[in-house]
Amino acid sequence: DGGITQSPKYLFRKEGQNVTLSCEQNLNHDAMYWYRQDPGQGLRLIYYSQIVNDFQKGDIAEGYSVSREKKESFPLTVTSAQKNPTAFYLCASTPGGLQETQYFGPGTRLLVL
Amino acid sequence: SQQGEEDPQALSIQEGENATMNCSYKTSINNLQWYRQNSGRGLVHLILIRSNEREKHSGRLRVTLDTSKKSSSLLITASRAADTASYFCATDQYNFNKFYFGSGTKLNVKP
Repeated sequence: DGGITQSPKYLFRKEGQNVTLSCEQNLNHDAMYWYRQDPGQGLRLIYYSQIVNDFQKGDIAEGYSVSREKKESFPLTVTSAQKNPTAFYLCASTPGGLQETQYFGPGTRLLVL
Repeated sequence: SQQGEEDPQALSIQEGENATMNCSYKTSINNLQWYRQNSGRGLVHLILIRSNEREKHSGRLRVTLDTSKKSSSLLITASRAADTASYFCATDQYNFNKFYFGSGTKLNVKP
């Protein structure tokens, strides 16, 4: 059963807490992406990675951090510096290079307590 | 912003009717893609059209691209209740490995 998995489905964050969202893919894709989606809105790019051990900031990287130690995994940490973290977070991957279709995970909904 | 913008924001039709949604963008692109999102779920890729193509079909979907007007349209023919979802266009930024999504068209197909 190939694809992209994200966990958890729902995540609750307390004030001042860092939380990490998991994204794993077994598609052997080189590139991975993190997006944030607010209600009724489109997707905004947080971070992306073209290869292992390399990643670039997207349009709204402030308050977030990522790592890409393995090809299959691209975890996203929402830090306490992100003052408005409540959103739906989507992870995606592509085989690599330009002009590629993105494959999306099911998403994680982050809520603040 | 490089984002594509969809029009209309919301569309409500009866089952069996056709649904047309449009996307406009601002800069040169390599390709434009359409995605579908059911409520609370991830996005599913529908169709990709390259900048040198003008029209593409996939089942009940027809996509057109007019690079001179920087616009695209998605036509869903003979719509079904199961087509109820939000539809997004995504454009790449020429020579950059990033994608830009519009805010989507919310389609409601009434049975």
